[in-house]
Amino acid sequence: QQQVKQSPQSLIVQKGGISIINCAYENTAFDYFPWYQQFPGKGPALLIAIRPDVSEKKEGRFTISFNKSAKQFSLHIMDSQPGDSATYFCAALNYNQGGKLIFGQGTELSVKP
Amino acid sequence: DTAVSQTPKYLVTQMGNDKSIKCEQNLGHDTMYWYKQDSKKFLKIMFSYNNKELIINETVPNRFSPKSPDKAHLNLHINSLELGDSAVYFCASSQGGTRSYNEQFFGPGTRLTVL
Repeated sequence: QQQVKQSPQSLIVQKGGISIINCAYENTAFDYFPWYQQFPGKGPALLIAIRPDVSEKKEGRFTISFNKSAKQFSLHIMDSQPGDSATYFCAALNYNQGGKLIFGQGTELSVKP
Repeated sequence: DTAVSQTPKYLVTQMGNDKSIKCEQNLGHDTMYWYKQDSKKFLKIMFSYNNKELIINETVPNRFSPKSPDKAHLNLHINSLELGDSAVYFCASSQGGTRSYNEQFFGPGTRLTVL
């Protein structure tokens, strides 16, 4: 059962544009929602994360928007750069489940110069 | 200094063989994990250990056996390898115990190819 659904599967954006990746979850017990960035041949690395008690979190060009009632959250990358080209994964976790991250399917982002 | 390291980086083997992947972290973390990333890049947790104690054991075939000799190491042994085991295996670690929001740091991955 896929508990975190991510879309789109792939995304092409022009340099300077906004990249938007969406995720939806089913389990209301999830209480932590990180985004991971993975470059080819590398392991995923934490980009930004949010708890459901806030609706938005911004770190530099990266913003998470969170809609608890809709059970949806999204990643916005402002002023997208070619160096942002990577695969992005949303994830969800329940504090009481020992660090068990449930990942979305991933979005392959390509930023064209 | 590499925070989470895995060996080998690439592993090519025949069906039916037994192989091991080693993982070490020098971050002083208490919890370590194994994840499997399939050919479609889907990441799924397999196991986690906290201070050498098994915490998470997902629905993974018994052919997979994690072993944690100390809290800085978590190895993955796979018996009777099958074609479907071909994937990239990631080790990760995090600070804190079994209840935390702490960041998980991933290793560089081991690409396993079963022929």
